[in-house]
Amino acid sequence: NAGVTQTPKFQVLKTGQSMTLQCAQDMNHNSMYWYRQDPGMGLRLIYYSASEGTTDKGEVPNGYNVSRLNKREFSLRLESAAPSQTSVYFCASSAQGQANTGELFFGEGSRLTVL
Amino acid sequence: GQQLNQSPQSMFIQEGEDVSMNCTSSSIFNTWLWYKQDPGEGPVLLIALYKAGELTSNGRLTAQFGITRKDSFLNISASIPSDVGIYFCAGLRVGTYKYIFGTGTRLKVLA
Repeated sequence: NAGVTQTPKFQVLKTGQSMTLQCAQDMNHNSMYWYRQDPGMGLRLIYYSASEGTTDKGEVPNGYNVSRLNKREFSLRLESAAPSQTSVYFCASSAQGQANTGELFFGEGSRLTVL
Repeated sequence: GQQLNQSPQSMFIQEGEDVSMNCTSSSIFNTWLWYKQDPGEGPVLLIALYKAGELTSNGRLTAQFGITRKDSFLNISASIPSDVGIYFCAGLRVGTYKYIFGTGTRLKVLA
């Protein structure tokens, strides 16, 4: 009954360090997403993958890269972290485009602080 | 980026009262979703709607897909303290993969 699993749940980085957030879903969904959530800004789309082998930029892609490793996994990489990337990051998945159901399921979030 | 207009922004209610909130858009959606988010947690899907006029319940929660396809409503009946949290809507247009989210309604229940 895992759904969408994200790791790590908490991370503190220094400016300029790199790290990768991992996400895996066990619902056989085609579509996966990375969002960031900041106070007063709501959820903003960073990147998404409509299906295995494809990735597309969202609203705020600068400073991030993604990899759709296989159907289950979608990772988000910060190559050179900046304080402006301090945020809560959510991975989500959907069967959209697969079964024409639009339900979007979120992970529990990864809280990142960049000093 | 685009956000859906959600109202009210916040509300304080007494335990046992009913709650109503809504989302409106200038665009037509073919899917409306309603979520609850507790502090420090990820959003949890409450209700999904797929047809104009559709009315769907999940326990004390009832949501409706507006006839114009540009709005949706969520009602919570007989509120209890654990209903506290942030509720937000999300919409999806046909043939797209990008969800548009509401600005959120912060609900506080007074015992």
